[in-house]
Amino acid sequence: DQQVKQNSPSLSVQEGRISILNCDYTNSMFDYFLWYKKYPAEGPTFLISISSIKDKNEDGRFTVFLNKSAKHLSLHIVPSQPGDSAVYFCAASAAAQKLVFGQGTRLTINP
Amino acid sequence: DAGVIQSPRHEVTEMGQEVTLRCKPISGHDYLFWYRQTMMRGLELLIYFNNNVPIDDSGMPEDRFSAKMPNASFSTLKIQPSEPRDSAVYFCASLGPQETQYFGPGTRLLVL
Repeated sequence: DQQVKQNSPSLSVQEGRISILNCDYTNSMFDYFLWYKKYPAEGPTFLISISSIKDKNEDGRFTVFLNKSAKHLSLHIVPSQPGDSAVYFCAASAAAQKLVFGQGTRLTINP
Repeated sequence: DAGVIQSPRHEVTEMGQEVTLRCKPISGHDYLFWYRQTMMRGLELLIYFNNNVPIDDSGMPEDRFSAKMPNASFSTLKIQPSEPRDSAVYFCASLGPQETQYFGPGTRLLVL
Protein backbone atom coordinates (compact mmCIF):
# COMPACT_ATOMS: atom_id res chain seq x y z
CA ASP A 1 0.00 0.00 0.00
CA GLN A 2 1.63 3.17 -1.26
CA GLN A 3 0.67 5.86 1.27
CA VAL A 4 2.57 8.59 -0.58
CA LYS A 5 2.33 8.70 -4.35
CA GLN A 6 4.11 10.72 -6.98
CA ASN A 7 2.29 9.79 -10.15
CA SER A 8 4.66 11.47 -12.58
CA PRO A 9 7.95 9.55 -12.87
CA SER A 10 9.45 12.37 -14.93
CA LEU A 11 8.91 16.00 -15.86
CA SER A 12 10.67 18.18 -18.41
CA VAL A 13 10.56 21.99 -18.14
CA GLN A 14 12.15 24.85 -20.04
CA GLU A 15 14.72 26.94 -18.16
CA GLY A 16 13.12 30.01 -16.65
CA ARG A 17 9.63 28.53 -16.56
CA ILE A 18 7.77 27.15 -13.54
CA SER A 19 8.21 23.52 -12.48
CA ILE A 20 5.32 21.95 -10.60
CA LEU A 21 5.80 18.60 -8.91
CA ASN A 22 2.82 16.83 -7.38
CA CYS A 23 2.32 14.41 -4.54
CA ASP A 24 -0.76 12.67 -3.14
CA TYR A 25 -1.15 10.88 0.16
CA THR A 26 -3.77 8.61 1.68
CA ASN A 27 -3.07 8.66 5.42
CA SER A 28 -5.04 11.46 7.10
CA MET A 29 -2.78 11.16 10.15
CA PHE A 30 0.16 12.67 8.28
CA ASP A 31 0.90 16.08 9.80
CA TYR A 32 4.28 17.02 8.38
CA PHE A 33 5.40 16.99 4.78
CA LEU A 34 8.80 17.41 3.19
CA TRP A 35 10.47 17.57 -0.18
CA TYR A 36 13.91 16.11 -0.76
CA LYS A 37 16.13 16.54 -3.79
CA LYS A 38 18.52 13.88 -5.02
CA TYR A 39 21.40 14.11 -7.46
CA PRO A 40 22.95 10.95 -9.00
CA ALA A 41 25.37 9.10 -6.71
CA GLU A 42 24.39 11.25 -3.73
CA GLY A 43 21.94 10.88 -0.87
CA PRO A 44 18.71 12.88 -0.79
CA THR A 45 19.01 16.39 0.67
CA PHE A 46 16.27 18.30 2.44
CA LEU A 47 14.67 21.05 0.38
CA ILE A 48 11.55 22.42 2.07
CA SER A 49 8.84 21.31 4.48
CA ILE A 50 5.34 22.24 5.58
CA SER A 51 3.28 21.51 8.66
CA SER A 52 -0.37 20.52 8.33
CA ILE A 53 -1.39 23.72 10.12
CA LYS A 54 -0.24 25.70 7.09
CA ASP A 55 -1.24 25.64 3.45
CA LYS A 56 1.84 27.31 2.00
CA ASN A 57 5.51 27.63 2.77
CA GLU A 58 7.98 29.58 0.70
CA ASP A 59 11.77 29.57 0.56
CA GLY A 60 13.31 31.56 -2.24
CA ARG A 61 12.42 29.99 -5.57
CA PHE A 62 10.72 27.04 -3.87
CA THR A 63 7.14 27.03 -2.61
CA VAL A 64 5.22 24.08 -1.21
CA PHE A 65 1.42 24.08 -1.19
CA LEU A 66 -0.70 21.76 0.94
CA ASN A 67 -4.35 20.96 0.28
CA LYS A 68 -5.45 18.82 3.22
CA SER A 69 -8.98 18.21 1.97
CA ALA A 70 -7.60 16.78 -1.27
CA LYS A 71 -4.64 15.13 0.47
CA HIS A 72 -2.40 16.73 -2.08
CA LEU A 73 0.77 18.75 -1.98
CA SER A 74 2.83 20.35 -4.67
CA LEU A 75 6.26 21.89 -5.05
CA HIS A 76 6.66 24.93 -7.27
CA ILE A 77 10.05 26.02 -8.53
CA VAL A 78 10.20 29.38 -10.23
CA PRO A 79 12.16 30.25 -12.19
CA SER A 80 13.56 26.80 -12.99
CA GLN A 81 17.31 26.55 -13.44
CA PRO A 82 19.51 23.82 -14.96
CA GLY A 83 20.88 23.00 -11.51
CA ASP A 84 17.36 22.04 -10.44
CA SER A 85 17.58 18.92 -12.61
CA ALA A 86 17.37 16.07 -10.09
CA VAL A 87 15.00 13.51 -8.63
CA TYR A 88 12.52 15.01 -6.17
CA PHE A 89 11.01 12.94 -3.39
CA CYS A 90 7.92 13.86 -1.47
CA ALA A 91 7.77 12.54 2.13
CA ALA A 92 5.21 12.58 4.90
CA SER A 93 5.23 11.91 8.61
CA ALA A 94 2.57 11.02 11.19
CA ALA A 95 5.03 10.63 14.05
CA ALA A 96 7.75 13.20 13.85
CA GLN A 97 10.68 10.92 13.17
CA LYS A 98 9.39 8.30 10.73
CA LEU A 99 9.06 9.38 7.09
CA VAL A 100 7.15 7.71 4.26
CA PHE A 101 8.54 8.57 0.84
CA GLY A 102 7.00 8.70 -2.60
CA GLN A 103 8.54 7.06 -5.63
CA GLY A 104 10.24 10.23 -6.82
CA THR A 105 9.90 12.46 -9.90
CA ARG A 106 12.86 13.06 -12.19
CA LEU A 107 12.90 16.74 -13.16
CA THR A 108 14.87 17.81 -16.22
CA ILE A 109 15.38 21.51 -16.92
CA ASN A 110 16.11 22.16 -20.57
CA PRO A 111 18.24 25.19 -21.56
CA ASP B 1 31.03 18.16 10.18
CA ALA B 2 31.57 15.47 7.55
CA GLY B 3 27.92 14.53 7.38
CA VAL B 4 26.63 10.99 7.47
CA ILE B 5 29.31 8.55 6.36
CA GLN B 6 28.57 5.23 4.72
CA SER B 7 30.87 2.43 3.64
CA PRO B 8 31.46 0.83 1.31
CA ARG B 9 30.14 3.06 -1.48
CA HIS B 10 29.83 0.10 -3.82
CA GLU B 11 29.60 -3.61 -3.09
CA VAL B 12 29.43 -6.46 -5.56
CA THR B 13 28.96 -9.92 -4.14
CA GLU B 14 27.70 -13.32 -5.09
CA MET B 15 24.42 -14.81 -4.02
CA GLY B 16 24.67 -16.50 -0.64
CA GLN B 17 27.45 -14.31 0.68
CA GLU B 18 27.15 -12.14 3.77
CA VAL B 19 27.06 -8.39 3.21
CA THR B 20 27.70 -5.77 5.89
CA LEU B 21 26.93 -2.10 5.31
CA ARG B 22 28.25 0.52 7.71
CA CYS B 23 27.07 3.94 8.81
CA LYS B 24 28.42 6.74 10.97
CA PRO B 25 25.72 9.31 11.80
CA ILE B 26 26.29 12.99 12.40
CA SER B 27 27.58 13.54 15.91
CA GLY B 28 24.85 14.49 18.36
CA HIS B 29 21.99 13.09 16.28
CA ASP B 30 19.95 10.67 18.39
CA TYR B 31 18.00 8.97 15.60
CA LEU B 32 19.43 6.78 12.84
CA PHE B 33 17.51 5.38 9.88
CA TRP B 34 18.26 2.72 7.26
CA TYR B 35 16.51 2.98 3.88
CA ARG B 36 16.56 0.97 0.69
CA GLN B 37 15.96 2.51 -2.73
CA THR B 38 14.80 0.45 -5.70
CA MET B 39 13.19 1.38 -8.99
CA MET B 40 10.05 -0.55 -8.14
CA ARG B 41 9.47 0.62 -4.56
CA GLY B 42 11.30 3.93 -4.30
CA LEU B 43 12.73 4.80 -0.86
CA GLU B 44 11.63 2.37 1.84
CA LEU B 45 12.37 2.69 5.53
CA LEU B 46 13.86 -0.55 6.81
CA ILE B 47 14.56 0.22 10.48
CA TYR B 48 15.31 3.13 12.78
CA PHE B 49 17.04 3.60 16.11
CA ASN B 50 16.73 6.12 18.92
CA ASN B 51 19.68 6.39 21.30
CA ASN B 52 21.04 3.13 19.86
CA VAL B 53 17.80 1.22 20.54
CA PRO B 54 15.79 -0.18 17.59
CA ILE B 55 12.37 1.50 17.60
CA ASP B 56 10.68 0.19 14.48
CA ASP B 57 11.95 -2.66 12.32
CA SER B 58 8.68 -3.33 10.52
CA GLY B 59 10.27 -2.43 7.20
CA MET B 60 12.96 -5.10 7.38
CA PRO B 61 12.02 -7.45 4.54
CA GLU B 62 12.86 -10.78 6.17
CA ASP B 63 15.06 -12.55 8.66
CA ARG B 64 18.03 -12.39 6.35
CA PHE B 65 18.29 -8.70 7.25
CA SER B 66 19.56 -7.51 10.61
CA ALA B 67 20.73 -4.14 11.95
CA LYS B 68 22.66 -3.12 15.02
CA MET B 69 23.77 0.09 16.63
CA PRO B 70 26.39 -0.76 19.25
CA ASN B 71 27.10 2.89 20.03
CA ALA B 72 26.01 6.40 19.09
CA SER B 73 28.51 6.72 16.28
CA PHE B 74 28.17 3.43 14.42
CA SER B 75 25.51 1.20 12.90
CA THR B 76 25.56 -1.83 10.63
CA LEU B 77 23.03 -3.41 8.30
CA LYS B 78 23.76 -7.04 7.55
CA ILE B 79 22.28 -9.31 4.90
CA GLN B 80 22.96 -13.02 5.33
CA PRO B 81 22.62 -14.79 2.96
CA SER B 82 22.32 -12.21 0.21
CA GLU B 83 20.10 -12.72 -2.84
CA PRO B 84 19.97 -10.97 -6.24
CA ARG B 85 16.69 -9.24 -5.28
CA ASP B 86 18.57 -7.44 -2.49
CA SER B 87 20.38 -5.40 -5.14
CA ALA B 88 19.58 -1.76 -4.41
CA VAL B 89 21.02 1.44 -3.01
CA TYR B 90 21.01 1.47 0.79
CA PHE B 91 20.95 4.80 2.58
CA CYS B 92 21.60 5.69 6.16
CA ALA B 93 20.23 8.93 7.63
CA SER B 94 20.33 10.70 10.97
CA LEU B 95 17.84 13.18 12.40
CA GLY B 96 18.86 16.76 12.93
CA PRO B 97 17.09 19.96 14.01
CA GLN B 98 13.51 20.66 12.92
CA GLU B 99 12.97 16.97 12.26
CA THR B 100 15.15 17.05 9.17
CA GLN B 101 16.84 13.83 8.14
CA TYR B 102 20.36 14.02 6.78
CA PHE B 103 21.28 11.26 4.37
CA GLY B 104 24.57 9.61 3.64
CA PRO B 105 25.76 9.06 0.06
CA GLY B 106 24.45 5.50 -0.01
CA THR B 107 25.89 2.05 -0.68
CA ARG B 108 25.13 0.61 -4.09
CA LEU B 109 24.79 -3.17 -3.64
CA LEU B 110 24.82 -5.65 -6.50
CA VAL B 111 24.24 -9.31 -5.72
CA LEU B 112 25.06 -11.59 -8.62
